[in-house]
Amino acid sequence: NAGVTQTPKFQVLKTGQSMTLQCAQDMNHEYMSWYRQDPGMGLRLIHYSVGAGITDQGEVPNGYNVSRSTTEDFPLRLLSAAPSQTSVYFCASRPDGLAGTDTQYFGPGTRLTVL
Amino acid sequence: QQPVQSPQAVILREGEDAVINCSSSKALYSVHWYRQKHGEAPVFLMILLKGGEQMRHEKISASFNEKKQQSSLYLTASQLSYSGTYFCGTYNDYKLSFGAGTTVTVRA
Repeated sequence: NAGVTQTPKFQVLKTGQSMTLQCAQDMNHEYMSWYRQDPGMGLRLIHYSVGAGITDQGEVPNGYNVSRSTTEDFPLRLLSAAPSQTSVYFCASRPDGLAGTDTQYFGPGTRLTVL
Repeated sequence: QQPVQSPQAVILREGEDAVINCSSSKALYSVHWYRQKHGEAPVFLMILLKGGEQMRHEKISASFNEKKQQSSLYLTASQLSYSGTYFCGTYNDYKLSFGAGTTVTVRA
């Protein structure tokens, strides 16, 4: 199993550009989520999904869109990039989001810089 | 809402002990602990459940006080490999929210 994979590893954007961060998992996990990590702020939840076709907002959803058409994939879209979105983005998955008792697995991260 | 961790940072010599605390203003169902090495993804250490036992990962253990809505992580006889940033995560309404992290540096 590859686990949770993310592409690209690094990305530089100009203000106003749009892009999609890709995330995929091969563990048949129902629950997937996106976090951003900024110095001194820890990991903050952007969006999450409890299964295909179901998504919801986390703590910092503004400026980001998600969709979940398959169990495996959970892309994160930046509609109009801003310098405040410069961050490291982690995708994560776990078997079942409902019980709160499952191990959560993180992808390797995407380092995004917005100029 | 993110849990609050303390201290923000701690420096240890090999063999010393440390405690990291995690508290929440909401009632806790479970507390998750992760460790992140520089430039890497967070890695799972352990989960503590409401009403459950104290957990252990190598010489790292943790407890969960439901009444105080608080969890503590105990680094015992620290090793160089324990260096990294430790995050606690609290679970509510399908969401796992993490604290700001505690950076642990273990020196020889």
